[in-house]
Amino acid sequence: GENVEQHPSTLSVQEGDSAVIKCTYSDSASNYFPWYKQELGKRPQLIIDIRSNVGEKKDQRIAVTLNKTAKHFSLHITETQPEDSAVYFCAASRGHTGGGNKLTFGTGTQLKVEL
Amino acid sequence: DAGVTQSPTHLIKTRGQQVTLRCSPKSGHDTVSWYQQALGQGPQFIFQYYEEEERQRGNFPDRFSGHQFPNYSSELNVNALLLGDSALYLCASSSGAVNEKLFFGSGTQLSVL
Repeated sequence: GENVEQHPSTLSVQEGDSAVIKCTYSDSASNYFPWYKQELGKRPQLIIDIRSNVGEKKDQRIAVTLNKTAKHFSLHITETQPEDSAVYFCAASRGHTGGGNKLTFGTGTQLKVEL
Repeated sequence: DAGVTQSPTHLIKTRGQQVTLRCSPKSGHDTVSWYQQALGQGPQFIFQYYEEEERQRGNFPDRFSGHQFPNYSSELNVNALLLGDSALYLCASSSGAVNEKLFFGSGTQLSVL
């Protein structure tokens, strides 16, 4: 089955700096890669996603890049703000081609944005 | 427009008991997935229901079972509870065979004593 590895497990940045979180996946059939943000005690929230036919996607301060050959994808947050502090999870899925959109999650990155 | 709702929010059980968790999907969604999230870990896929049938299943024992109703709501049942079943149980909904985006509920925090 799919295995998703995520690094780093913790990340501390100064406000205004950029943050990068990296994930690798093992299943070459995976074609959908979402990122979720989970604040303490709250639900995971989808912040951005990318499909395998696209190499990069951007939404304001957040961007995701995908390298299918190397089987890795990354989340980039620019101009970080204190409210960006949370746990971020990457995930991978075969999408509906796999008979259902089961997500395999990484282990999470605790991002702390310091003033 | 209501999002994904789950009940109850918290639950305390003892070993060997049985528990039922409930989920109502986001309006317009017809597919429900259940995930288990242990403390400090990423969510782990339990199973997914579509058209009232289990479509995919993760590596969870048969003690974990589910059901989907005609109105798309779903239940997760866990029998013979173990201490290791203590976790946050998340429900996620999505829209059928077209859209992969999953939207999560706030979860049910289950504690097994």
